[in-house]
Amino acid sequence: EIVLTQSPGTLSVSAGEGTTLSCRASESVTGNYLAWYQQKPGQAPRLLLFGASRRAADIPDRFSGSGSGTDFTLTISSLEPEDSAIYYCQQYGSSRSLTFGGGTKVEIK
Amino acid sequence: QVYLVESGGTLVKPGGSLRLSCAGSGFNFSDYYMSWIRQAPGRGLEWVSYITSSSSAMYYADSVKGRFTISRDNAKNSLFLEMNSLTAEDTAVYFCARGGFRYRFDYWGQGSLVTVSS
Repeated sequence: EIVLTQSPGTLSVSAGEGTTLSCRASESVTGNYLAWYQQKPGQAPRLLLFGASRRAADIPDRFSGSGSGTDFTLTISSLEPEDSAIYYCQQYGSSRSLTFGGGTKVEIK
Repeated sequence: QVYLVESGGTLVKPGGSLRLSCAGSGFNFSDYYMSWIRQAPGRGLEWVSYITSSSSAMYYADSVKGRFTISRDNAKNSLFLEMNSLTAEDTAVYFCARGGFRYRFDYWGQGSLVTVSS
């Protein structure tokens, strides 16, 4: 199965600053079938990006994604207080096993 | 508006069985692959299983293979997860989601808590 490693584990960033989250795959993600999700405490995850860089419906343009193959990034250009959450990457290009990364917790100073 | 609503989560003893359900609405249920994803308390997300739109194929995480069975009833817009030989490691919130192979999880239910404890 494809193992996704997210870094860093935790980020502490001031509101208004930008930040970048990393997701590294143990092997190439077929077709760039890589998604990012945001999860706040007590809530279901919310889809942010799919196909590595396509924003889901109603997602603000301060969220952007890039990457291909084994290295992917999620960039939040100007953090808002409501962006405090855990962010997960996920690959959905392997038919027999869909996998999530371990998550990056973003804290707003 | 797309809705997914899970039900069936409860406290069950180790070695016991449980069946979760997920009711979908607001979309053509039979067109989409569907999945179960779980989250143990304080832990990350773990994909559990997905089923193709016509039930032609099902896939499982190694951690549940041979114990869990995913199924669906397209006539009733419903997804199911039959869980057997439950252990404490299966304690988690179980989410159903629209998506699977080559389709992102774009809609999620609110989750159903399964607690395995004596």
